[in-house]
Amino acid sequence: EAQVTQNPRYLITVTGKKLTVTCSQNMNHEYMSWYRQDPGLGLRQIYYSMNVEVTDKGDVPEGYKVSRKEKRNFPLILESPSPNQTSLYFCASRRDRTREAQYFGPGTRLLVL
Amino acid sequence: AQSVTQPDIHITVSEGASLELRCNYSYGATPYLFWYVQSPGQGLQLLLKYFSGDTLVQGIKGFEAEFKRSQSSFNLRKPSVHWSDAAEYFCAVGTFGGSEKLVFGKGTKLTVNP
Repeated sequence: EAQVTQNPRYLITVTGKKLTVTCSQNMNHEYMSWYRQDPGLGLRQIYYSMNVEVTDKGDVPEGYKVSRKEKRNFPLILESPSPNQTSLYFCASRRDRTREAQYFGPGTRLLVL
Repeated sequence: AQSVTQPDIHITVSEGASLELRCNYSYGATPYLFWYVQSPGQGLQLLLKYFSGDTLVQGIKGFEAEFKRSQSSFNLRKPSVHWSDAAEYFCAVGTFGGSEKLVFGKGTKLTVNP
């Protein structure tokens, strides 16, 4: 089954404790992206990657890092999480640069205390 | 800058009634438009998309949307709503070249009364 998977689905952590949220897709998509969803703000892009070793900032990249060492994986790293990073995070992928729709993972709900 | 406005934060309809969710966009070039649905506790599922051609596009679950360039609108419609359609709906415009992303509206929450 074609899908985007994220782990963990739920995470409670404390301020300053480094964490990684994994994202993997099995569709051989070139493009991958991370979004955060907050009430009243909708979804906002954090980072995106056009291909392996190619990443770029989205609208709200502060406090986040990403890497794309393999085509299928695009982990989101919070080196020193803060309470304002409490949010619902979505990973998405798209085939390539064509104007195709993005396919979203199930989301990761993060609470930073 | 690109933007998407969904004027209705919350809409309530009765089961079997027709539905129209509004979406207005601002984008300098030819827009690539999408509607996504998010059921409670779920990710986003693509309902339909518009890239070019016929301005009335059909999607899954009986939804359709009409692109009106003169009004900068891409409204979502369904002739008869089912209780299972209760969810949050997001309109998005795709930007390509340079910053590649989806710009989302803030969403419209749909409640369906029996």
